[in-house]
Amino acid sequence: AQSVAQPEDQVNVAEGNPLTVKCTYSVSGNPYLFWYVQYPNRGLQFLLKYITGDNLVKGSYGFEAEFNKSQTSFHLKKPSALVSDSALYFCAVRASNAGKSTFGDGTTLTVKP
Amino acid sequence: SQTIHQWPATLVQPVGSPLSLECTVEGTSNPNLYWYRQAAGRGLQLLFYSVGIGQISSEVPQNLSASRPQDRQFILSSKKLLLSDSGFYLCAWSVPGAGQPQHFGDGTRLSIL
Repeated sequence: AQSVAQPEDQVNVAEGNPLTVKCTYSVSGNPYLFWYVQYPNRGLQFLLKYITGDNLVKGSYGFEAEFNKSQTSFHLKKPSALVSDSALYFCAVRASNAGKSTFGDGTTLTVKP
Repeated sequence: SQTIHQWPATLVQPVGSPLSLECTVEGTSNPNLYWYRQAAGRGLQLLFYSVGIGQISSEVPQNLSASRPQDRQFILSSKKLLLSDSGFYLCAWSVPGAGQPQHFGDGTRLSIL
């Protein structure tokens, strides 16, 4: 079985400050981890993924995520938030032998000017 | 490049009426295809996924069905809609393989009256 938790429904940050959106996972075997972003009335857009290798993964729009195996976490980060980063963010996990991904419930990020 | 088309963007249907939502993918062959439902802008519920023509896996027992009559066409149907079928329906595709991200269409917002 596989599961993912996004412990915060809402994250608020000021523009220019660093942001972190948290994600923890549970999976048997090696995890494949993904972050997606969703803007209102749109589909999800893929941001980045961790498969293997370097624990720090860089993705689109200046986002990065850090894989921590001991803490089973994959937190999304950005050094300097933009107002345009305000959106709904989803973490997803898929075990290497699983037929499908499991998505978290999403975290709404609001960046205030 | 690959694109995914999903239509219609919005749909208002009476209770008990039939439903047909269509999704097509361009620029790739033999994709994995997915149907999700999203309630109130939060988490995603996987409804169906398909790894090939005529191969459908159902995740949630309900009055919806899916078909894949062609390699890049995925259809979501219902014979009689219920009020509880209201929601935002998203189609997605991925290259086969556990480490591949999903790519989403812009969804259909379905309202049942």
